[in-house]
Amino acid sequence: IAGITQAPTSQILAAGRRMTLRCTQDMRHNAMYWYRQDLGLGLRLIHYSNTAGTTGKGEVPDGYSVSRANTDDFPLTLASAVPSQTSVYFCASSWTSGSSDTQYFGPGTRLTVL
Amino acid sequence: GQNIDQPTEMTATEGAIVQINCTYQTSGFNGLFWYQQHAGEAPTFLSYNVLDGLEEKGRFSSFLSRSKGYSYLLLKELQMKDSASYLCAVRDSDYKLSFGAGTTVTVRA
Repeated sequence: IAGITQAPTSQILAAGRRMTLRCTQDMRHNAMYWYRQDLGLGLRLIHYSNTAGTTGKGEVPDGYSVSRANTDDFPLTLASAVPSQTSVYFCASSWTSGSSDTQYFGPGTRLTVL
Repeated sequence: GQNIDQPTEMTATEGAIVQINCTYQTSGFNGLFWYQQHAGEAPTFLSYNVLDGLEEKGRFSSFLSRSKGYSYLLLKELQMKDSASYLCAVRDSDYKLSFGAGTTVTVRA
């Protein structure tokens, strides 16, 4: 069982380029999330999806878009990358039916925008 | 939204006890989680509280007071492998998590 996978592991990107970060889970969780983690700021929610076909905005959605065509995949796209999007990006998934349902995190993608 | 505060850093000696406090101001509280994150790795789940009181899981315990907007994570019998960041997270009614900035715990020999 892989859990959650993310690709790429790391990427250096020129400003203005388009980039898609991939996330796939095999736990059949209904909900998926994208966070960015910056030093001193903790994890901040970018976008989320409570079920396939629906998405919602988190705390810091500007400059990012997502889609949820099926249960397993939740790609995050940067349409035109800027240096302030340099960060570590974590994808997570969970059930949202039980009170103790926790989020499981992927290994992260380290993105540098120059 | 949520406003979550926890100390930035704590240092303790191997075998000792450390308590990491977390205070929060929330709209729509639906549970509080603690995660552990080693440097360069993903966060992993440690504990969950939704009702007031203490939850114990081996060397780790977590406490919640909803009326005070307060939680703590207690790490007992500290080991070197416990050196990590500990993240306090509050869940809202839509199952979204808001995280504190994290507390870096350093365990000294």
